[in-house]
Amino acid sequence: GQSLEQPSEVTAVEGAIVQINCTYQTSGFYGLSWYQQHDGGAPTFLSYNALDGLEETGRFSSFLSRSDSYGYLLLQELQMKDSASYFCAAFRDSNYQLIWGAGTKLIIKP
Amino acid sequence: DGGITQSPKYLFRKEGQNVTLSCEQNLNHDAMYWYRQDPGQGLRLIYYSQIVNDFQKGDIAEGYSVSREKKESFPLTVTSAQKNPTAFYLCASSSKALAGSYEQYFGPGTRLTVT
Repeated sequence: GQSLEQPSEVTAVEGAIVQINCTYQTSGFYGLSWYQQHDGGAPTFLSYNALDGLEETGRFSSFLSRSDSYGYLLLQELQMKDSASYFCAAFRDSNYQLIWGAGTKLIIKP
Repeated sequence: DGGITQSPKYLFRKEGQNVTLSCEQNLNHDAMYWYRQDPGQGLRLIYYSQIVNDFQKGDIAEGYSVSREKKESFPLTVTSAQKNPTAFYLCASSSKALAGSYEQYFGPGTRLTVT
């Protein structure tokens, strides 16, 4: 089957660094995306990795290892506004269909 | 401002009634999607459309129907055949015309409650 696994909840302290992991199992794989969703809101795009390595966008970075079927999202200098759910999602084919992980709820403590 | 609109934000229906959720985009995107999200879960694809007058079933299409008569509009009908319709419904679009285009843009969602 096709699935993405990520931790259900992660807790961190304001100002710290946190890593959210995602492992995937898909019959076809075209890249890994990360989205942020605040409670009651819509997902917003954070990053996309098609190739192995690290992509950096401000305080957020995303990493992909295709050989390990693994990726992670790294959030630095955590702020209270980063409290949200974070989803990894993989393109499973060239028709732009995404399959989604169940999401990781990030709890930030002062 | 370009974006995706969904209406209404909250919708209440009685069991056995069909209900249509609207989704409009002015981003000139080719592809549009409907997802369902249940509490504590990820998004599941209901239907998607890559071009006007064409659409494909996603993973959980049973009990739902869509149409794509205009590029800007992709309404979703939740029929009485959907056994558990209460959920948060999200519409999204993306520009498949651009090479390497991968970001999906989401509307604010419609929270449907059926009793």
